[in-house]
Amino acid sequence: NAGVTQTPKFRILKIGQSMTLQCTQDMNHNYMYWYRQDPGMGLKLIYYSVGAGITDKGEVPNGYNVSRSTTEDFPLRLELAAPSQTSVYFCASSYSMAAGADTQYFGPGTRLTVL
Amino acid sequence: AQSVTQPDIHITVSEGASLELRCNYSYGATPYLFWYVQSPGQGLQLLLKYFSGDTLVQGIKGFEAEFKRSQSSFNLRKPSVHWSDAAEYFCAVGVEGRSNFGNEKLTFGTGTRLTIIP
Repeated sequence: NAGVTQTPKFRILKIGQSMTLQCTQDMNHNYMYWYRQDPGMGLKLIYYSVGAGITDKGEVPNGYNVSRSTTEDFPLRLELAAPSQTSVYFCASSYSMAAGADTQYFGPGTRLTVL
Repeated sequence: AQSVTQPDIHITVSEGASLELRCNYSYGATPYLFWYVQSPGQGLQLLLKYFSGDTLVQGIKGFEAEFKRSQSSFNLRKPSVHWSDAAEYFCAVGVEGRSNFGNEKLTFGTGTRLTIIP
């Protein structure tokens, strides 16, 4: 199993540009998450999904959109990039959340810089 | 809402010395507690977790953690650190899920960076 994969690893965007961060998992997990990690701030949840077709906002959803058309894929969309979105983005997945946050498996991250 | 505090931003220890990383949580009921490790340039990997039962939890790589309800703490320990333990460590708290998935998520602390001196 490849686990959770993310592409790209690095990206530099200009203000106002858009892009999609890709995330794929091959563990047949129902739950998927997007986090951003800023220095000294820990991880903040952007969006999560409990299954194909079902998504919900996390703590910091503004400026982002997600979709979940398949169990495997959970792309994160930035429509109008802003410098405040410079961060490292992590995708994660878990089998369930019913027990109160099951073990989450993380991808390697995407480092995004907006200039 | 739940919260997690990791009071130590950066800790430096000598190789072979013992280690304790502190974690305090705030939550009204018994939480689900996790420790994750992040090596440089990598994603997070689960070290151990506590859901219920024995309050001393064993994890991978020789780590253990003890849940102390009276102190709202879940400190991570290792008796003898190795140079490969240099990384950032995150404590996280989860809450029991509800049927309308209103509050099922992990809340992470801000992390403790561990440096190992040869």
